[in-house]
Amino acid sequence: KNQVEQSPQSLIILEGKNCTLQCNYTVSPFSNLRWYKQDTGRGPVSLTIMTFSENTKSNGRYTATLDADTKQSSLHITASQLSDSASYICVVSERGSQGNLIFGKGTKLSVKP
Amino acid sequence: EAEVAQSPRYKITEKSQAVAFWCDPISGHATLYWYRQILGQGPELLVQFQDESVVDDSQLPKDRFSAERLKGVDSTLKIQPAELGDSAMYLCASSGTGTLTYNEQFFGPGTRLTVL
Repeated sequence: KNQVEQSPQSLIILEGKNCTLQCNYTVSPFSNLRWYKQDTGRGPVSLTIMTFSENTKSNGRYTATLDADTKQSSLHITASQLSDSASYICVVSERGSQGNLIFGKGTKLSVKP
Repeated sequence: EAEVAQSPRYKITEKSQAVAFWCDPISGHATLYWYRQILGQGPELLVQFQDESVVDDSQLPKDRFSAERLKGVDSTLKIQPAELGDSAMYLCASSGTGTLTYNEQFFGPGTRLTVL
């Protein structure tokens, strides 16, 4: 069964610190992996998209990595800010005509002053 | 910057009542999706449209949910009758005609439904 598992479920860090969120998946055939940021009460916003051949991609203070062999991805946040408090959702797309998205349950990050 | 619009943002209703949500995708986007997101979970696809045609509605509870996109632009999702378990965030997303590899979906702000 295609699944996306994220860890930790929740995380609390102090402002200015770095953190890393994990994503493991069993989706096959694989097309691409995305990380979304979802603020409370809002829709998800895309941070990064990576295909099979890409093993790292950055978007400002966000850096995503992908190991397609072990089917693992991570999202590293550098020098966290209060506005980084949100849920971060890992999403894997199946290769195919419809490109079905398999969503993880997300990691809820709280950045404290 | 173009955005997906949804309304209403919040809806409170009593069980057994009918509710409807509206979505206007980014102009030119042929594919439109409706998702349901229960608190603390990832979004779950309910229905996918390609222009005015339904591509995937396998997870749509068809006894009470219906969706339409008559002119291939905006879309309406309806629940009748609403049940307590329908309380959730309903998200609409759209995607353009890029390559399937980067068929990025853009999400609207969602409609938060509370059924009492």
